[in-house]
Amino acid sequence: GENVGLHLPTLSVQEGDNSIINCAYSNSASDYFIWYKQESGKGPQFIIDIRSNMDKRQGQRVTVLLNKTVKHLSLQIAATQPGDSAVYFCAEKEIKLIFGQGTELSVKP
Amino acid sequence: EAGVAQSPRYKIIEKRQSVAFWCNPISGHATLYWYQQILGQGPKLLIQFQNNGVVDDSQLPKDRFSAERLKGVDSTLKIQPAKLEDSAVYLCASSLGHSSGNTIYFGEGSWLTVV
Repeated sequence: GENVGLHLPTLSVQEGDNSIINCAYSNSASDYFIWYKQESGKGPQFIIDIRSNMDKRQGQRVTVLLNKTVKHLSLQIAATQPGDSAVYFCAEKEIKLIFGQGTELSVKP
Repeated sequence: EAGVAQSPRYKIIEKRQSVAFWCNPISGHATLYWYQQILGQGPKLLIQFQNNGVVDDSQLPKDRFSAERLKGVDSTLKIQPAKLEDSAVYLCASSLGHSSGNTIYFGEGSWLTVV
């Protein structure tokens, strides 16, 4: 069935450290994956995406890794800052976009 | 470039009353989505439009929810009558097209509390 989930509901890191947020998906036919950041009281904000024909994509301070063999997606944030504190959702798409439950990232100064 | 606009931002109604939410997508975006986000959960797709046609409404509780996008631009989501479990954030989103690779952009959401 449809199931895009995250391994940890919360993640706490020290400012300046790297953060890794993980996601497992179940639909092997999904061909497009997106990470969203959602701050309190706001809508989801696009961070980075990756197609299924890639295994890595880099943005500014963020990297998404896709392992189709084990149906695993991760978001790496380099030099985490207080402004990165938010809930992060992975989402997968075959026909429609399906969201996971989210991981709340807290950055300690 | 203006983002996805939604109104009202906040609404409190009593159960069995009705409510309507409005969405103006990003200019030129053919695909429009309505998502429901219950506190602590990820957004769940309610309905997807391609221009003024419905692509997917399989998760829309059609006995009480309705949505339209008559001219293929703005959209309205209505709930009548509302139930307590409808308390959630209603997110509108849009993209250039519906195929994979088209980034989906979200509005700030309309927060509904049913008492």
